[in-house]
Amino acid sequence: KQEVTQIPAALSVPEGENLVLNCSFTDSAIYNLQWFRQDPGKGLTSLLLIQSSQREQTSGRLNASLDKSSGRSTLYIAASQPGDSATYLCAFEYYGQNFVFGPGTRLSVLP
Amino acid sequence: EPEVTQTPSHQVTQMGQEVILRCVPISNHLYFYWYRQILGQKVEFLVSFYNNEISEKSEIFDDQFSVERPDGSNFTLKIRSTKLEDSAMYFCASSALAGAQDTQYFGPGTRLTVL
Repeated sequence: KQEVTQIPAALSVPEGENLVLNCSFTDSAIYNLQWFRQDPGKGLTSLLLIQSSQREQTSGRLNASLDKSSGRSTLYIAASQPGDSATYLCAFEYYGQNFVFGPGTRLSVLP
Repeated sequence: EPEVTQTPSHQVTQMGQEVILRCVPISNHLYFYWYRQILGQKVEFLVSFYNNEISEKSEIFDDQFSVERPDGSNFTLKIRSTKLEDSAMYFCASSALAGAQDTQYFGPGTRLTVL
């Protein structure tokens, strides 16, 4: 059974800091991964999609990388802002299956 | 920007009752999904649907669950006889292509409370 873990579980940083969120998976036979943002009581907003043949994707202040050999993905947020406060979820899609989600990292960016 | 919508936003029901959760996917999307998130737990895949039939389903999606696309716009999840443990947030998602090739767009969710 595939497992996805995320470290740290929660993170609190002052505004302006660059930060890295980590996601680990146990099975390298993935189709793709997505990073999502979830605001309290709300749905999921897709941030970045990385195909298994790619190593990274960038969107604005966000950069996500994928290293299948080490079973890791990182989400880098540059110059964090209070509006970035949310829970960040990584999800992997495996061959023949649908998304397996991590438990999330709860981020608080303090003004 | 097109978005996935879900109704109702909150549904309260008695144990043993049937509930139908409704979703309107993005109009040109062909693949549809249901996920659930029990409070404080991970988001879990329930079922995917394409070309009017189930493509994949998880072990959670037992005989109490069914999905339907009754017309050209709606996608529904029915729980035949609700249990207390069905209380969760249910998310609908859609994508233009199969999930491996395309972003899945999620709706805001329906919070189901079973009493």
